[in-house]
Formats: sequence, structure tokens, C-alpha cells
Amino acid sequence: NAGVMQNPRHLVRRRGQEARLRCSPMKGHSHVYWYRQLPEEGLKFMVYLQKENIIDESGMPKERFSAEFPKEGPSILRIQQVVRGDSAAYFCASSPLAQIMNTEAFFGQGTRLTVV
Amino acid sequence: DAKTTQPNSMESNEEEPVHLPCNHSTISGTDYIHWYRQLPSQGPEYVIHGLTSNVNNRMASLAIAEDRKSSTLILHRATLRDAAVYYCILRDAGSGNTGKLIFGQGTTLQVKP
Repeated sequence: NAGVMQNPRHLVRRRGQEARLRCSPMKGHSHVYWYRQLPEEGLKFMVYLQKENIIDESGMPKERFSAEFPKEGPSILRIQQVVRGDSAAYFCASSPLAQIMNTEAFFGQGTRLTVV
Repeated sequence: DAKTTQPNSMESNEEEPVHLPCNHSTISGTDYIHWYRQLPSQGPEYVIHGLTSNVNNRMASLAIAEDRKSSTLILHRATLRDAAVYYCILRDAGSGNTGKLIFGQGTTLQVKP
């Protein structure tokens, strides 16, 4: 059973370009969480999705950021018109369907975004 | 969200036990106590979790105070590979039960050879 797969592992974008980060949850997991870790800081919750639904986006910046988790395929975190302050490590985690609080979340290795 | 308080850093010698404390005085009755760790340049990794009773697994032990206002993660024999940031987290059991993890600053554990 493969773990949570994130790609690309490293992404370099120029200011103003778009960044697309992909996350494939573990097999059988239908809950996906995205977190951001700025340099030398802790992890911050961004968004929680289930298949085709955004459940909690309380940590998402109001502009330029969006996320989706379609019926088929990976979850996508999209950042439009990137700025240098978006440079960070973005981590995805997945949990199985039932008893969220009593199960572990599995994290991917992250995508390290660098905006130049 | 209920908050946790951890020391910023701790040191340990290799092969010795390590006790990492966490205070969570505002914990609610249905909050699970989770511990994760993050090794340098890697994603967070699950360590252990519990509700009321002490828990053991192959990685560590979790001792939970009777009033649940504090807990201690115990690494029985620290190795150099245990050097990481350790996060104590109350998994969100609030309305909506989203299960999101709210990370604090954690405890940076240094292990000396």
C-alpha cells in the first residue's frame, strides 16, 4: 500500500506564474488535508477536503489559492500569480473515512515551492 | 481549538530514555491526544495517540494524566534518528468533526551521541 504521494517534490516558479501541487492519498482514504510550512515555522492548516467537496477552508488565504479533490484523480492545490511569500513546503495528509479523531493521519513528503 | 503547551527544546543522550511533556489544560472530554514528529526535511510522522489510558506501541509510550490536562511522550531509548520536532496535538473534535491537526511550535529534541 503506497503512502501519500505528492508531486512534484520541488517546484520553482517565477513571480506571477501558477503553481499546481498534487496529492494522491493512500488507497481507501477519502479525507485530504493540506498544510503549509513557511521557512523556520510550524505547520499551518490550510484546507480539508473530501471527494468533490471542500469541508473546511478556514486556513486558506482569501485570494490566489484554491483546492480541489475530484471524484477521480489526485487532490490539487493551486496557487495563482505566485509571490515570493508563497515559498514554503506544502504537505498533504490523508485519513481514512471512519473515526477521524481516533486514527492517524498519513503525511506525504511535501512539495517545496520556491518563487524566484 | 484546545491549545497545547510544550517546551521549545530538550536534549537527551543516546540510549537514554526521554520524557517529552505536554500541557493541555483546556482539553475537552472527546479530544484525542496525538503526537507527531517531523524529522529534518521530511513530512510529519505519526507517533502515537490516546484518549484516557496510557498507550504503548513500537515507537513510544504515551502517559496521560488522570485529569487529562497533561501527557508525556516517552521514548524508551533515544537514538540519533529520534532527533526531530515533536508535536503534541489535540485532534479537533469540535463541531463538524473535521479531524484537522492544529500544530503548535513543538519540542525540538536533540540527541547527543
